[in-house]
Amino acid sequence: GQQVMQIPQYQHVQEGEDFTTYCNSSTTLSNIQWYKQRPGGHPVFLIQLVKSGEVKKQKRLTFQFGEAKKNSSLHITATQTTDVGTYFCAGPISNFGNEKLTFGTGTRLTIIP
Amino acid sequence: KAGVTQTPRYLIKTRGQQVTLSCSPISGHRSVSWYQQTPGQGLQFLFEYFSETQRNKGNFPGRFSGRQFSNSRSEMNVSTLELGDSALYLCASSTGQAVGYTFGSGTRLTVV
Repeated sequence: GQQVMQIPQYQHVQEGEDFTTYCNSSTTLSNIQWYKQRPGGHPVFLIQLVKSGEVKKQKRLTFQFGEAKKNSSLHITATQTTDVGTYFCAGPISNFGNEKLTFGTGTRLTIIP
Repeated sequence: KAGVTQTPRYLIKTRGQQVTLSCSPISGHRSVSWYQQTPGQGLQFLFEYFSETQRNKGNFPGRFSGRQFSNSRSEMNVSTLELGDSALYLCASSTGQAVGYTFGSGTRLTVV
């Protein structure tokens, strides 16, 4: 079936280092969304990208949508302990004419102080 | 405005029993989607309800069912519980488009 994969599955970084997670879809997406789930919490919507090649920034976070609209990345500059959590990408994938938001496999980020 | 409310937060059930989980979406949101989250499988889509109609369904057995009421509140039911149904069940509220979901805190179901 149509899938959304993320790599890496886990990432451990020293505080202050950069972090990147990559998202790949088996199908072209109309948009890509990113969510963050803190340990013990629930996913929280971060951002939506719609245009091919689009780049958006939120403070230390930079989000990119690929030219073919099948991949995306999230880059965090100078990580802080507050960045700990699992980052999910998600895209609407059609299922018999109705779209369902399909989540990637997630990347769990841990910070070493 | 109030967020998405899921009840109960925690539940322990015995294999073979059935369970009903509840989700109240954000006021004005007409779509409720349900997801099962497990460490090994990530976030798996169960179904989506929009204006009291099931609009989309994932690849789960018929033991998993749901419904939505006229006030947009939704319930999901799992019958004949199995050990593998132990998971965090999340509901997500939206205006109707598959974008910018607001999730509830989830119901952690443990089947023993």
